[in-house]
Amino acid sequence: VQLVQSGAEIKKPGESLTISCVGSGYNFMKYWISWVRQMPGKGLEWMGRIDPSDSYINYSPSFQGHVTISADKSIGTAYLQWTTLKASDTAMYFCARHSNYPPDYWGQGTLVTVSS
Amino acid sequence: QSILTQPPSASGTPGQTVTISCSGSSSNVGRNAVNWYRQLPGTAPKLLIYSHIQRPSGVPDRFSASKSGTSASLAISGLQSEDEAGYFCAAWDDSLNGWMFGGGTILTVL
Repeated sequence: VQLVQSGAEIKKPGESLTISCVGSGYNFMKYWISWVRQMPGKGLEWMGRIDPSDSYINYSPSFQGHVTISADKSIGTAYLQWTTLKASDTAMYFCARHSNYPPDYWGQGTLVTVSS
Repeated sequence: QSILTQPPSASGTPGQTVTISCSGSSSNVGRNAVNWYRQLPGTAPKLLIYSHIQRPSGVPDRFSASKSGTSASLAISGLQSEDEAGYFCAAWDDSLNGWMFGGGTILTVL
């Protein structure tokens, strides 16, 4: 089982960004994918999750409206998208798979830096 | 976003037993299984304990966990220098309909 995330990004405030998470070694449609934020030196924050089998999504209220989660089950890939980045979006972002149990396999993380 | 409450730091000497606490509410820790992760700097969290007390393959039995009401704890016995890491608790939150994580505890082995 592997979740492989796209590489680090450096963006300016106001720009858009999509990062990806490719799952392999398991049935991608049988597990939820959650996205988790970790700001520098801080704890983990759950952002939202998607069921790749039907693209059902639910967001944390803290992130609703600021990010978009999606997935393409045909290529086993989940996405996290911003249309308007802010400096406060600077963080490490992880994807992780889970079912009725907690997230067991995690991506390696994508570092997003937003700076003018 | 509300988080589960953990002490920011903990420490111990080699061979000692260290306990890390995690406090939540009736919608998360009080109602659902508590899980624990270990994280080394710059890497992804690794599942250490799930469903209160289960250890994934490869996790030594020096790591144990317990829960009472809306509080949980992780115990590390026979402390080793390699145990230095960040430790996070996590539980499903029924109000959030998502995962609630603790703020994390940095463990130092003196």
